[in-house]
Amino acid sequence: QKEVEQNSGPLSVPEGAIASLNCTYSDRGSQSFFWYRQYSGKSPELIMFIYSNGDKEDGRFTAQLNKASQYVSLLIRDSQPSDSATYLCAVKGSGYSTLTFGKGTMLLVSP
Amino acid sequence: GAVVSQHPSWVICKSGTSVKIECRSLDFQATTMFWYRQFPKQSLMLMATSNEGSKATYEQGVEKDKFLINHASLTLSTLTVTSAHPEDSSFYICSAREEDTQYFGPGTRLTVL
Repeated sequence: QKEVEQNSGPLSVPEGAIASLNCTYSDRGSQSFFWYRQYSGKSPELIMFIYSNGDKEDGRFTAQLNKASQYVSLLIRDSQPSDSATYLCAVKGSGYSTLTFGKGTMLLVSP
Repeated sequence: GAVVSQHPSWVICKSGTSVKIECRSLDFQATTMFWYRQFPKQSLMLMATSNEGSKATYEQGVEKDKFLINHASLTLSTLTVTSAHPEDSSFYICSAREEDTQYFGPGTRLTVL
């Protein structure tokens, strides 16, 4: 059974701080890793994907992947109240397998 | 990024009626689409995977005769909730795959009275 684990939170950070969201996965053969943001009452929205070990930066977001540790994280710099949402980690194995989603971490950014 | 639409965005129906939800990939062709359900404050639950031109694959515990899925073209999949009951009230979200990435539609909120 492929599993993706996330701390449910809430993770509370003050405005302007760095928010660090973490995710571990069980399938060592996983190839692709995704972070989605879901606002309350809305559907998930893709933020970033990462395939290779290391860091990938996109604006205020940085995804970090460590396949040896089976760990992927999302850093949000200069957090804003509008970043308050649930962040879903998703992992895909090789081939055309479906995404396995974590249950999500709720992030609260206070003004 | 790729755009996925869903229609309707919300629907209210009486118990016992059937409701059809459409999911379209607007700027790409999607061989594979997915249907999820999400109850309030709970995580996404995959209901089924639909492949264009073939029968959908349902997750364990999802009744295929109740949730009819049709994926007749590379840009359209439909989910029909048959004989809907109040316990079927939920947020239904479709997702379409382009290469390695899944893009979500905006969701359909179903309320069954």
